[in-house]
Amino acid sequence: NAGVTQTPKFQVLKTGQSMTLQCAQDMNHNSMYWYRQDPGMGLRLIYYSASEGTTDKGEVPNGYNVSRLNKREFSLRLESAAPSQTSVYFCASRPFGDRGRQPQHFGDGTRLSIL
Amino acid sequence: AQSVTQPDIHITVSEGASLELRCNYSYGATPYLFWYVQSPGQGLQLLLKYFSGDTLVQGIKGFEAEFKRSQSSFNLRKPSVHWSDAAEYFCAVAGTYKYIFGTGTRLKVLA
Repeated sequence: NAGVTQTPKFQVLKTGQSMTLQCAQDMNHNSMYWYRQDPGMGLRLIYYSASEGTTDKGEVPNGYNVSRLNKREFSLRLESAAPSQTSVYFCASRPFGDRGRQPQHFGDGTRLSIL
Repeated sequence: AQSVTQPDIHITVSEGASLELRCNYSYGATPYLFWYVQSPGQGLQLLLKYFSGDTLVQGIKGFEAEFKRSQSSFNLRKPSVHWSDAAEYFCAVAGTYKYIFGTGTRLKVLA
């Protein structure tokens, strides 16, 4: 019963370094999401993938890229990390269809600090 | 524009007291509404959801929520709070592909 697995759980980077956050789900869900969580701001959508082979920008995509590697995996890349990207990153997935009635399932998060 | 507002950033209640967390939404069509809970260091766990029908929905851990279309609200309630309910609570409205989350309410429970 793994659900949504995120790696790593913690990471410290220096400004300008690059990094890829990994996310995998074993529930055969079509849609996957990346969020960032900052104090007082709730969860903000970075990118999402409605189905394998598609990706779309969310609310705060600048400074990030994503890859939907296959149906299970959805990675988030920071090409040149900046201190403003210090945050907790959550991956989520849900089945496609039913016009939004399906709930999202979340991983435990990656805590990223950029110095 | 679609939005979700949780007016209370922090709420403190005594163990055994009742709880109500407020959520107001703005959405053009019939909303699909959710409440999630986040314990420290964890991801978000679904508490309950509303799609249509009975406006009072039951969830896990003894929580319930009432949908009021006239007030654009979906408030979360629990009759008697336990110390383990201390967490952050998020309300969300779902579109076809995306969710919109509120900024969260952090609940503190006094022994």
